[in-house]
Formats: sequence, C-alpha cells, structure tokens
Amino acid sequence: AQSVTQLDSQVPVFEEAPVELRCNYSSSVSVYLFWYVQYPNQGLQLLLKYLSGSTLVKGINGFEAEFNKSQTSFHLRKPSVHISDTAEYFCAVSDNAGGTSYGKLTFGQGTILTVHP
Amino acid sequence: DADVTQTPRNRITKTGKRIMLECSQTKGHDRMYWYRQDPGLGLQLIYYSFDVKDINKGEISDGYSVSRQAQAKFSLSLESAIPNQTALYFCATSGLRASGGYTFGSGTRLTVV
Repeated sequence: AQSVTQLDSQVPVFEEAPVELRCNYSSSVSVYLFWYVQYPNQGLQLLLKYLSGSTLVKGINGFEAEFNKSQTSFHLRKPSVHISDTAEYFCAVSDNAGGTSYGKLTFGQGTILTVHP
Repeated sequence: DADVTQTPRNRITKTGKRIMLECSQTKGHDRMYWYRQDPGLGLQLIYYSFDVKDINKGEISDGYSVSRQAQAKFSLSLESAIPNQTALYFCATSGLRASGGYTFGSGTRLTVV
C-alpha cells in the first residue's frame, strides 16, 4: 500500500517570493511521482512527473520538483511566484511495479497556495 | 471539446433522491475512475474500472454505484442521496502505462439538501 502526506495544508506567500510545497510518500514498491494543480472551479491538471533518471524534474509554469529517494520526498518549488499561481496543489504516487494496483494514483490531502500582492 | 466531459457541472438535489453523474471521454483510455473531493481530505477513490467488464470498489464506495456503459462512458449513481454526499466529484481516465498519470474532467459540484 502507498500513502502520500503533504506537510502543509495552506501556504501563504507574497508575489515574487520563492515557494516550496512539501510532499512525503511511503511505498513498498517502485513508484512514479506526480504533482497536479487545481485552479478554482477547474479539474486537476498535470504539473510535472518523475519517472526515472534525473531527480530534478521541470514542469509547466516554472515549477520544478526534486525526487529524494532516501528521504522519500518529492517537494515542489518555484523561485518566484505570481498571483496566477494561487491554486490547490496535489502530490500523487503511482505504483509501477505491476499487480492489481498498477497505475492507480494515491493522492495527498492537497496544499492551498495563496499568493498575495 | 474536452478530453473528459462530466455532466452536470452543478446539481442540487434533495435527500433521498436518486441522482446520476455522467462521464465521457475521447482519450481512448481503458481505465476510468470516480473520485470525491472534500476540503482538507484530498481526493478519495469511489470506484474504478480497468475495462468495460471490470468494476472495482475504491476506498469509499458505500452509498454509490457505477455503470460502465462503454469504453468511453462511466456513470456514478447515488441511489438515495444524503447530505454528507455533498462534495465535488471528479471523473478521471488513464491509459495502460502507469507513467501517463490521469486526465481529469472539470468536476461536478453536488449539493444534497
């Protein structure tokens, strides 16, 4: 079984400041990792994903995330946020080892990022 | 047109009524999912289907049922709606590869009064 913990339920930040949204996961098998963004009144959109290779992955809108296997973390960062980044962000993990749970995503509880002018 | 379409977008219904939420997709994906979103709880899996003949319960299936009418269509029913089923409901699809992640619909906001 897998689980995902997003360590902050809400993160307020001022425009042009850096931000980090934290995500830890646990799994007994090999996983893929994802970050999704949900803008108000919309569905979830894929921001970025880690499959293999370089532990630093870049996504849309200037976001990046770093996979740390020893700490089982996949934190999301942006060096300078904009008002338009205000949204809810979800970390998710997918079992890639096969079996009945292959491909199913387990989501964290979400982090609401609010960017203030 | 959206890849994953959910209808209706918003619905208010009364306690005890039967209601169906519909999802259709043009991605050609075999796998479809229904999730419920509540503030602070993230997304909870209600039901999922890996193909037309395969239906599986998720974490919170009590009070819900589903129908996979075709590869492209997956409906969620509340047989007798209750107020604590008030939530945002999402349909999602995925291909056979775990690396692809999900494609989500825009959601249905359901209010049970």
